Amino acid sequence: DAGVIQSPRHEVTEMGQEVTLRCKPISGHDYLFWYRQTMMRGLELLIYFNNNVPIDDSGMPEDRFSAKMPNASFSTLKIQPSEPRDSAVYFCASTDRVVGEQYFGPGTRLTVT
Amino acid sequence: SQQGEEDPQALSIQEGENATMNCSYKTSINNLQWYRQNSGRGLVHLILIRSNEREKHSGRLRVTLDTSKKSSSLLITASRAADTASYFCATDGRDTSGTYKYIFGTGTRLKVLA
Repeated sequence: DAGVIQSPRHEVTEMGQEVTLRCKPISGHDYLFWYRQTMMRGLELLIYFNNNVPIDDSGMPEDRFSAKMPNASFSTLKIQPSEPRDSAVYFCASTDRVVGEQYFGPGTRLTVT
Repeated sequence: SQQGEEDPQALSIQEGENATMNCSYKTSINNLQWYRQNSGRGLVHLILIRSNEREKHSGRLRVTLDTSKKSSSLLITASRAADTASYFCATDGRDTSGTYKYIFGTGTRLKVLA
């Protein structure tokens, strides 16, 4: 298996633009997680899905952030409009059980200018 | 803050020495895990210890868990230059509504000098 795939790997955009980050989990994994990592705040869980259904979105910072999982093999995290403080590395992770090892993707480094 | 705390924030040792990192957390947990992150990469799972376990080993890794103190430690024995990375603890547990919550610590940056 190729592991968790994220795209793009790097994204540079201007403030106010819409940003869409994409994730393909490992086949057979029915849990998918979105995290954000910054120097100031560390690694934060934004939202996670089970069987394509959002279970906990309490970490989503504000209404500008939204996440979807239309099917078992694809998820998106959208920021609209983007702001400079959204600059961070965004990770997607998947697993086949509610607790246990999570498999992380390589991350998307987002820079909002 | 909901984050777990780790100390030290940074640790520099010589190759061959042992490295010990500590993690404290705030809520009751089901499990505690340790992850490694190499620079510019995603996190890689190292070991999981359940709340009813006190110690666990995996190769050169030894993890202890003290639920009464809400703390854990990760010991890496006979360190190698390739162990240079950031190490994070992560806890999981249900909140009052039954929803699983996942919280990562702030991380320890380990540098092993050859």
